Amino acid sequence: DQQVKQNSPSLSVQEGRISILNCDYTNSMFDYFLWYKKYPAEGPTFLISISSIKDKNEDGRFTVFLNKSAKHLSLHIVPSQPGDSAVYFCAASNNAGNMLTFGGGTRLMVKP
Amino acid sequence: DTAVSQTPKYLVTQMGNDKSIKCEQNLGHDTMYWYKQDSKKFLKIMFSYNNKELIINETVPNRFSPKSPDKAHLNLHINSLELGDSAVYFCASSQVFGNREQYFGPGTRLTVT
Repeated sequence: DQQVKQNSPSLSVQEGRISILNCDYTNSMFDYFLWYKKYPAEGPTFLISISSIKDKNEDGRFTVFLNKSAKHLSLHIVPSQPGDSAVYFCAASNNAGNMLTFGGGTRLMVKP
Repeated sequence: DTAVSQTPKYLVTQMGNDKSIKCEQNLGHDTMYWYKQDSKKFLKIMFSYNNKELIINETVPNRFSPKSPDKAHLNLHINSLELGDSAVYFCASSQVFGNREQYFGPGTRLTVT
């Protein structure tokens, strides 16, 4: 039973436009959420995170929104660049913080 | 300098063999992890070590045995390899136990034939 789901396996966006990647979770004990970015043949790299006490966190072109009532978070990338093309993983953890549960990833392709 | 390194990057072996994957981090982190990324691309935690002590052991066959000789190293030994063990294995580390921002190695692609 997947507790973290990314229902879109892939997303294609034009350069300069907004990319919106979505993530849903089922475990109400999750209180911290992260996005990781992964290029082929490399390990995931941390991108941005958000605590459940917030509903938005912004870092440059990347913004994560959290809707706790809907158990939904999203990652916005504005403007999208070809170098953003990668697989994006959503991850969640509970207040023990010792374990990350990952979604299945969304492959983002940004076309020049 | 590579922060989290794994060797080998690729490993092809036959069923029944025993193999090891090595992981080293030069970040001075206290906690290290092993993840498995299966054919469906899900990343799942296998083990977590904090200061050389096993903290998390998810439902993993006991053919898998992690070994942490020191804080900077966490190796994964697999006995009697099976076809279903084919996957990409990622090592990761975090500054302290409970720190949710983890740094990942490049992965080891294991193929069992």
